[in-house]
Amino acid sequence: DVKVTQSSRYLVKRTGEKVFLECVQDMDHENMFWYRQDPGLGLRLIYFSYDVKMKEKGDIPEGYSVSREKKERFSLILESASTNQTSMYLCASRVYTGELFFGEGSRLTVL
Amino acid sequence: AQSVTQLGSHVSVSEGALVLLRCNYSSSVPPYLFWYVQYPNKGLQLLLKYTSAATLVKGINGFEAEFKKSETSFHLTKPSAHMSDAAEYFCAVSGSGGSYIPTFGRGTSLIVHP
Repeated sequence: DVKVTQSSRYLVKRTGEKVFLECVQDMDHENMFWYRQDPGLGLRLIYFSYDVKMKEKGDIPEGYSVSREKKERFSLILESASTNQTSMYLCASRVYTGELFFGEGSRLTVL
Repeated sequence: AQSVTQLGSHVSVSEGALVLLRCNYSSSVPPYLFWYVQYPNKGLQLLLKYTSAATLVKGINGFEAEFKKSETSFHLTKPSAHMSDAAEYFCAVSGSGGSYIPTFGRGTSLIVHP
């Protein structure tokens, strides 16, 4: 079975802190994604990566950056966390047949 | 550009009743269509997908969906709801080739009453 692991399930940070959200997949998938999930807004794409060191902005990249130094790992970085970044963050990897495999999510609260 | 519309943010049914969750899409290329389910405090998992084979697609847990090109719809159904079906359901579309980035609907919360 494909496994996508997000390192932190719950985080509480203060405004202005730097936040790292880590995601690791174990199936050698080329494509990986970071989504943000908010009630009533569904999933919104922050960034995606189609290969190592390759990244593309999604629909809401402002305030975020990403890093993909190894194929299995895709990190989301909040350089200076703000309260409006309080949300559920979902990482996913994509198989060649199109479907996504998701991690269990990282719920971030910024105080 | 592609988009997904899920009609109804909440759907409430009684246990044993028919489940119908609606999804309409727009896509400039032949689409791949997906339904995902999210249980509380979990990530999304794939229920079923349409990739231009049979128009009626069967998924896990007794769910199925029918692709209707003329209506640009991909509604999700289950003949008899179970309490364990209570969850958030997301419809998603992606194109083939270069437009493969999936776009998700806003989700429909399924509530099952005993």
